[in-house]
Formats: sequence, C-alpha cells, structure tokens
Amino acid sequence: DVKVTQSSRYLVKRTGEKVFLECVQDMDHENMFWYRQDPGLGLRLIYFSYDVKMKEKGDIPEGYSVSREKKERFSLILESASTNQTSMYLCASTGTVYGYTFGSGTRLTVV
Amino acid sequence: EDQVTQSPEALRLQEGESSSLNCSYTVSGLRGLFWYRQDPGKGPEFLFTLYSAGEEKEKERLKATLTKKESFLHITAPKPEDSATYLCAVHGGGDYKLSFGAGTTVTVRA
Repeated sequence: DVKVTQSSRYLVKRTGEKVFLECVQDMDHENMFWYRQDPGLGLRLIYFSYDVKMKEKGDIPEGYSVSREKKERFSLILESASTNQTSMYLCASTGTVYGYTFGSGTRLTVV
Repeated sequence: EDQVTQSPEALRLQEGESSSLNCSYTVSGLRGLFWYRQDPGKGPEFLFTLYSAGEEKEKERLKATLTKKESFLHITAPKPEDSATYLCAVHGGGDYKLSFGAGTTVTVRA
C-alpha cells in the first residue's frame, strides 16, 4: 500500500515564525499536493507538483511556498505564520488521478 | 471553476436507519467523481470512483450512484462504525487536481 507520511501530527507555532511541513511518499508517485481543511470549507488546494523541482499554485497559495527537491518529498513552507493559517494541513500523492492517497494530516495552531 | 456542494452538513442516524448523502457538482467535462471517508484527526480514505452517469459502486453497507448533476452515497442499515465525515470530490480538468465538497458528518447511534 502507498504510504504518505506527514512529519508532525500537531504543531504549535508563534506568529511570524517560518514553518516547515514535511510530506514523504514511498510509491514513486509523480504528483503531490498540499491541501488545507477548515470546517465548512472543505479541502482547498494550496500547491501541487507534477515532478521534481516543479510546482504549481492551487486555489489559495498566498502566504505559502513549497519545495520539491526529491521525488518522494514535498514540503510546505509558511514564510511568516499568521493566526489565519491555523488549520489542518493534508498532503496527498498519486500516480494517476484515480489513486489519491492522503497522509494523516498536521494540525497547525498559530498563536 | 469546478464546484461541489454536499448536503446535509450533518446527519444523525439510529443504528439500522438507512439514509442517503447528496453531492451536487458543476464541472466542465467530468472525468471522475470520488467519495472518501475521513475519521476524526485522520486523512481521507478512498472509497469509490464513478466515471459516468448510471454507474453504481458498492462496498459493504455503502453504495454510490452517479447522475449527470449529482451523486448519492447510500448507507444501508448503518452501524456506529460508519460514523465519519464523507467527502465528495470531482476531477474535471486535464491535470490531476480534485475539487472537494465540505463533507457530510454522519453520526450513527447504537
């Protein structure tokens, strides 16, 4: 089975801090995604990547950046964390659109 | 822009009380509709993919159906372990992005 691992389940950071969320998948998938999930809003796409060193903006990229230096790892970076970035962050990967696999999520609280 | 609306937001059922969840969508050229289950504090888990109107898929007490405008997830004789949030998503473009609804949270009481 594909495994998508997010490095932290819970994080608490201070406003203004630079925050790194890490995601690793073990099935050689080309496509990786970062979503945030908020009550009543569902999952919203932040950034995605189709290949190493490639990135595309999703629907809500403001305040975020990403890095994909290796195929298996896709990092989400909050350049200067703000309280409105408190959320559940979900990473997903797929070899085709028919097989999205999600990580367990990182619940980030910015205080 | 693809749009997905799920209803109701929340559903409370008695064990054994069958019901249906709705997913209405607007997409230019549906390439697939997906149902996921999400337990509290966890990532979504894949349930079904539907590709064309009239298609049906079943798994245990769950059955998903698809029309040209909406999909239904039917839960037959639910058990407490079916309690979860059920997410609907559509794929309408030439890339691999999915657009998700806000989900329906189902609570099944024993």
